[in-house]
Amino acid sequence: EPEVTQTPSHQVTQMGQEVILRCVPISNHLYFYWYRQILGQKVEFLVSFYNNEISEKSEIFDDQFSVERPDGSNFTLKIRSTKLEDSAMYFCASSRGQGARGYTFGSGTRLTVV
Amino acid sequence: GQSLEQPSEVTAVEGAIVQINCTYQTSGFYGLSWYQQHDGGAPTFLSYNALDGLEETGRFSSFLSRSDSYGYLLLQELQMKDSASYFCAVNPYGGATNKLIFGTGTLLAVQP
Repeated sequence: EPEVTQTPSHQVTQMGQEVILRCVPISNHLYFYWYRQILGQKVEFLVSFYNNEISEKSEIFDDQFSVERPDGSNFTLKIRSTKLEDSAMYFCASSRGQGARGYTFGSGTRLTVV
Repeated sequence: GQSLEQPSEVTAVEGAIVQINCTYQTSGFYGLSWYQQHDGGAPTFLSYNALDGLEETGRFSSFLSRSDSYGYLLLQELQMKDSASYFCAVNPYGGATNKLIFGTGTLLAVQP
């Protein structure tokens, strides 16, 4: 069964540093997403990406964050000047089209800011 | 805005039936989904209701009533491996894409 692949599985970074989280969505999917889950809390939408541009972003997704699809397979989330409160699980997801069916999440990157 | 509320924890015994409720306040959505999450891992899709009524998928069923702003996930013949967190989620009208807004989540503990 096709998977969404995320690397690394765990990233530790010092406060103020920049991190790049990487994702390989399912190859025939057209919509890509990033979500965040702070430990013990609900999953929160960050951003969606379609046709090589951001199509929607949440209030959380401020100038500290950016996304990129540098080639035909990778989808990255960059977090600049990391803060302690950025510590969370970051999930990449992809979907072929509209509707919640066929929405697939990756296993996540646990980001720890120290 | 949207909010989806779930009980924080539910405990049940192996072989039993358990219902996890989701009450919501939203401005409108295409459908209500349910996801399972083991130990903070990838949320995995379980069920989806676009219309009111019951959807059945094996041991899992999901129900939606838009008039009551309410849905639930029903798990039958509980197994130990069903111990996990369960989230309801909606994809709301008005957005540019298919984002999901998740509920507060319910931690299900299945006991022998």
